Amino acid sequence: NAGVMQNPRHLVRRRGQEARLRCSPMKGHSHVYWYRQLPEEGLKFMVYLQKENIIDESGMPKERFSAEFPKEGPSILRIQQVVRGDSAAYFCASSPEGIREQYFGPGTRLTVT
Amino acid sequence: EDQVTQSPEALRLQEGESSSLNCSYTVSGLRGLFWYRQDPGKGPEFLFTLYSAGEEKEKERLKATLTKKESFLHITAPKPEDSATYLCAVGANAGKSTFGDGTTLTVKP
Repeated sequence: NAGVMQNPRHLVRRRGQEARLRCSPMKGHSHVYWYRQLPEEGLKFMVYLQKENIIDESGMPKERFSAEFPKEGPSILRIQQVVRGDSAAYFCASSPEGIREQYFGPGTRLTVT
Repeated sequence: EDQVTQSPEALRLQEGESSSLNCSYTVSGLRGLFWYRQDPGKGPEFLFTLYSAGEEKEKERLKATLTKKESFLHITAPKPEDSATYLCAVGANAGKSTFGDGTTLTVKP
């Protein structure tokens, strides 16, 4: 019973580079959520996806950020041309269906230098 | 827009000193209220789901209750290992969950 897996756990990027964060949901879960958490702050919703569909991306910045959850493989959160303000912990969560409890991964800590 | 407010922001207790954490919410069409625990450097861990006013759930020293406008997480005789940040979230018709900023609990031996 593997939990939600995220990789890498730590990612260092220079300003202007691209960051790719991966999330494999729990077995049997088809709903994936991405959150951002700044130090000493709460979780901020970014995007909600089902297989091959973006259900709600209202929390994701319009520029530089994109997310996908393909039919095969992990969900990917992509940040293009990273800036220092993108430095944060990014958490992925999965659930078996919408409006259910979510199971979180260990997070990816992105540092932009 | 769905809103979740947790209080207090931080709570310091002596071991054995019972207390409650509050989660007030405004949501159109509550489909579920969730409590999570988050330890430093880790992802949140699911604790409870409450679906309707009057419902209660218990797990060890924790008990969660729900009214039409708020939820409480009661901690009875806490131990140092209960120290963590406790997060409340609401799920509404849109499918996503909206999280509060959490209450950081410190239990001193």
